[in-house]
Amino acid sequence: DAGVIQSPRHEVTEMGQEVTLRCKPISGHNSLFWYRQTMMRGLELLIYFNNNVPIDDSGMPEDRFSAKMPNASFSTLKIQPSEPRDSAVYFCASSWATGNAGELFFGEGSRLTVL
Amino acid sequence: GENVEQHPSTLSVQEGDSAVIKCTYSDSASNYFPWYKQELGKGPQLIIDIRSNVGEKKDQRIAVTLNKTAKHFSLHITETQPEDSAVYFCAAPKREYGNKLVFGAGTILRVKS
Repeated sequence: DAGVIQSPRHEVTEMGQEVTLRCKPISGHNSLFWYRQTMMRGLELLIYFNNNVPIDDSGMPEDRFSAKMPNASFSTLKIQPSEPRDSAVYFCASSWATGNAGELFFGEGSRLTVL
Repeated sequence: GENVEQHPSTLSVQEGDSAVIKCTYSDSASNYFPWYKQELGKGPQLIIDIRSNVGEKKDQRIAVTLNKTAKHFSLHITETQPEDSAVYFCAAPKREYGNKLVFGAGTILRVKS
């Protein structure tokens, strides 16, 4: 298996633009997580899905952020409109376990810069 | 809620020496404690984990110890090598919302050769 695949790896955009980050989890994993990493706040869980259903989105910063998982092999994280404070590395991770009781497999991240 | 405190924030050791990173947690119901290693430009990767029914687990040069009474757990790396240089994160589950993991702030480990 190729592991968790994220795209794009890098994105530079201007304030106000829409940003869509994509994730393909490891086949057979039934949980998917979106994390944001910044120097100031470390690794923060934004949202997680179990069997394609959003279970906990309490970490989503505000209404500008939305996430979907239309099927077991694809998820998106959308920011609309984007702001400079959204600049961060966004990681997708998947797991075979429900919740966080097992190993998380992280993608290589999407580095977002909002000018 | 769960707070996970990690110390030190940076650690510099000489190649061959040992490195110890410590984390404390607040939720006494936490029962799973993983350690992740993040290399530059990559995502975190699990290196070892421990569940609350054991006090220590070892995998070659890496070990984790757990003290449930004191609510702390530590990562021990022996015979450090330059390739051990990375950022290390501890984590512990939060009871609410399906035990989602809360990560420590990370420790930058530098192994000097």
